[in-house]
Parts: sequence; structure tokens; C-alpha cells
Amino acid sequence: DSGVTQTPKHLITATGQRVTLRCSPRSGDLSVYWYQQSLDQGLQFLIQYYNGEERAKGNILERFSAQQFPDLHSELNLSSLELGDSALYFCASSRGIMDGYTFGSGTRLTVV
Amino acid sequence: DAKTTQPTSMDCAEGRAANLPCNHSTISGNEYVYWYRQIHSQGPQYIIHGLKNNETNEMASLIITEDRKSSTLILPHATLRDTAVYYCIVRVQGNMLTFGGGTRLMVKP
Repeated sequence: DSGVTQTPKHLITATGQRVTLRCSPRSGDLSVYWYQQSLDQGLQFLIQYYNGEERAKGNILERFSAQQFPDLHSELNLSSLELGDSALYFCASSRGIMDGYTFGSGTRLTVV
Repeated sequence: DAKTTQPTSMDCAEGRAANLPCNHSTISGNEYVYWYRQIHSQGPQYIIHGLKNNETNEMASLIITEDRKSSTLILPHATLRDTAVYYCIVRVQGNMLTFGGGTRLMVKP
């Protein structure tokens, strides 16, 4: 157990739907990162939050959004889902922006 | 952050040392070398990182050449559980981790 908790572990949904993935960082970690890993793309950085504020954005689609709440947990919202959004979604956390990352075990999203 | 080049795949016999190379010829003075691994669809796991000195921890050793243009991750006694994709990442601390293709290490009995 890495200390980073992601829920749910698996999610199956239909095209056009909206889902929310949740991440609880390790205790004391202020920074949260979201990554997407699909079969043909490898690990792609989506977005980073630090202490509630968005800090960096990667290849995140406009249909996707995220936020970090006062208790530091984060949610990634995916809407108007397409077949190509099927992937593993990982959350990572770090104490500060200079520190190493600890990853969660991921959420496997399948869009049918 | 500087680009890295790693072999696509490598094999290693169980119990032997696994030496995973990484080239980062355009590394700049304030960039660190990080190694992570990902065991089949699990979240990536931090292994080790260094700036210019060699580093060792309970998992592995990191050897960085004097000119810092390449490095080697050493798993001293590879086990079957070390079969994974190993990522070498060069990063200025504070920037996000950017993963490349990595090296798929297969440890064989």
C-alpha cells in the first residue's frame, strides 16, 4: 500500500457518459498529479494541483477537468466519454513540488 | 527537461545483476536523474535518483558517468519480481515527471 488511495479500481461506462475518479494523497502530501496510461500512448501527464491550486497542465482534453479540495483529496472528471478514453488513470502525490512522487494503484476505465 | 534514450527490452537471469543503461546526453547542470519502475499495470514505483554522485539504497544503485551524459541502474540480485518496465527520467526538481517508453526488463529463472 503506497498510501495514495484511488477509487474506484474499475469502472465500466458507456460512450457519452460522465465519470468522476477520486484520489486521496498520502498524509501530509500537498501536491497531486493525474496521469493517463493507454495501451498505445504510455504514461501521459494530465494535470497537477498544489495545495488546492492548479499548478501545471499537460495533455488534458477540454472534456476532462480536475480539482483539489481543502482536505487535499482530488477528483478527475471525465465527460462526454469516448471509446478512446479507455485507459488506466493514475494519481500520484508528493510532499512538495521538489519531492519524488508516490503513485496510487490506478483506476481502470473502460468505455463501451 | 532533457530527453533520455533506453533500450526497449532486456533480459536478465534470476540472481544475477541487472544493469539498465540510460543515455541523457543533453542533461543540464540542475537536472536530476530519476528511475521509476512499473510492474504490470500497477502504479509506477520510485526506485532512486541522483544528481552527479553515485547513489545506493535498499533497492538499487545508480551510477552516473562523470560527464553526466549517461547512467546505469543496477539491481544487484534480480528476482522474478523485478520483471517490470524501468523508466529513466531526467528532471529539474519542481517540474513534473515525464515518462518515455522505458526498458522492459524480463528476469528469467
